[in-house]
Amino acid sequence: EEQLVESGGDLVQPGGSLRLSCAASGFTFSSYAMNWVRQAPGKGLEWVSVISDSGDSSYYGDSVKGRFTISRDNSKNTLHLQMNSLRAEDTAVYFCARTPRRMVGVLGDFDSWGQGTLVTVSS
Amino acid sequence: EIVLTQSPGTLSLSPGERATLSCRASQRFTSKFLAWYQQKPGQAPRLLIYGAAGRVTGIPDRFSGSGSGTDFTLTISRLEPEDFAVYYCQQYESSPLTFGPGTRVDF
Repeated sequence: EEQLVESGGDLVQPGGSLRLSCAASGFTFSSYAMNWVRQAPGKGLEWVSVISDSGDSSYYGDSVKGRFTISRDNSKNTLHLQMNSLRAEDTAVYFCARTPRRMVGVLGDFDSWGQGTLVTVSS
Repeated sequence: EIVLTQSPGTLSLSPGERATLSCRASQRFTSKFLAWYQQKPGQAPRLLIYGAAGRVTGIPDRFSGSGSGTDFTLTISRLEPEDFAVYYCQQYESSPLTFGPGTRVDF
C-alpha cells in the first residue's frame, strides 16, 4: 500500500527553524517528483514547494522563497522541508504530496497525500 | 500567477440532487492542467479529476469534470451522503501551482 507519513511538526517561536520529514513507502519513491502543500487552520490549500525525482531541481511558492528548502534522500525514501525564519503566517498543517508519473515535468496535480503534520509558530 | 476563483462559496443541497461547481482562472490555459480535490474534515485532500476531465481510478462515475480556457466545472450528478465536503480546484499550467478557495457542499 502506498503511504506518505509526515513528521516533525511542533510549536516554534517566530524567527525559529524546523525540519519536516515525509517517509514514503509502497512505491518507487525515486521515480516521483514530490511536493509540500500546507493548510492554515480553517483555510484553503497552498502549494509550498516541489522537488524533482532526482532532487536536482526545485521550485517554491513566493511566500516561502528564500526561507524554506526542500530536499530528498532517495536512499531512505524520505522527503524533507527545512523551514527557517518562521512567521506566524506559516502556522499550518503541512502535507507531503506526490506528483503523478504521467506528468513529464515536476509540476502537476497531486495523486497521493500524507495525513499532515501541524506546525504552530507562536511566542 | 494564475488566480483561481470558485463559485459558489457554499452549495446547500440534499442527497440525490445535482451539484455544479465552478472554477474560473485569471488567465486562459493553453493546456487542460486543472485538477479537482475533495477534502473532508480532518482528512487530507483526495484527487478526483485531473486534466480537467480525467477521472481518477476508483472515483465514482457520478463525478465528472469539464471545461477549458478559463472556465472549468465539476459536476456531481446525484449527491450521496459521503459527498458532502469541501472541493478545491488546482491548476498546474504554470508555477506557482495554485488552488481555488474551495466550495463547501453541505445540507
